[in-house]
Amino acid sequence: GESVGLHLPTLSVQEGDNSIINCAYSNSASDYFIWYKQESGKGPQFIIDIRSNMDKRQGQRVTVLLNKTVKHLSLQIAATQPGDSAVYFCAENMMGGAQKLVFGQGTRLTINP
Amino acid sequence: DAGVTQSPTHLIKTRGQHVTLRCSPISGHKSVSWYQQVLGQGPQFIFQYYEKEERGRGNFPDRFSARQFPNYSSELNVNALLLGDSALYLCASSLGVNTGELFFGEGSRLTVL
Repeated sequence: GESVGLHLPTLSVQEGDNSIINCAYSNSASDYFIWYKQESGKGPQFIIDIRSNMDKRQGQRVTVLLNKTVKHLSLQIAATQPGDSAVYFCAENMMGGAQKLVFGQGTRLTINP
Repeated sequence: DAGVTQSPTHLIKTRGQHVTLRCSPISGHKSVSWYQQVLGQGPQFIFQYYEKEERGRGNFPDRFSARQFPNYSSELNVNALLLGDSALYLCASSLGVNTGELFFGEGSRLTVL
């Protein structure tokens, strides 16, 4: 069925280090994946997306990797900064259908000074 | 430019009451979606509207309804409130329907006593 899960609910990293947040999905029909960041008291904020015809996509300090074979998605954040502290959600959707994003539980990223 | 605005920001209701939540999308955005976010979980899709028509509905009971107005603003209505309806209700807008880049408001925090 439709579900998106995360391997770890919390992640602590040192400022300046790279962070990797993982996500597993179970719906083989999903062909579009998105990462969102949610800071305390705010709505989710779009970070980056990737379609199933790609394995990797890079943005500013972020990289998303997609492994369709094992249904795994990851978000890499380079040179983590204090402002990166937030809960990160992966979401999946099927292109061509309703804009119905299925969000995972989320991973809380904490940056240690 | 103003982002997605939602009202009210906080409200308290008692079981059995009705609530109406309002959302104004970003200027030029014609798609509006509603999500429910229970504390500690990812957002869950409720409805999507595009050009005033319902494009998608999540797994929510008929107590939940929504509509989109000619100016693309939207209302979410919930009847016969239950304790379990307590959550953050998020509205999101986007330019089109074939994108996962949603712009979320800060939400309406509903508490049902």
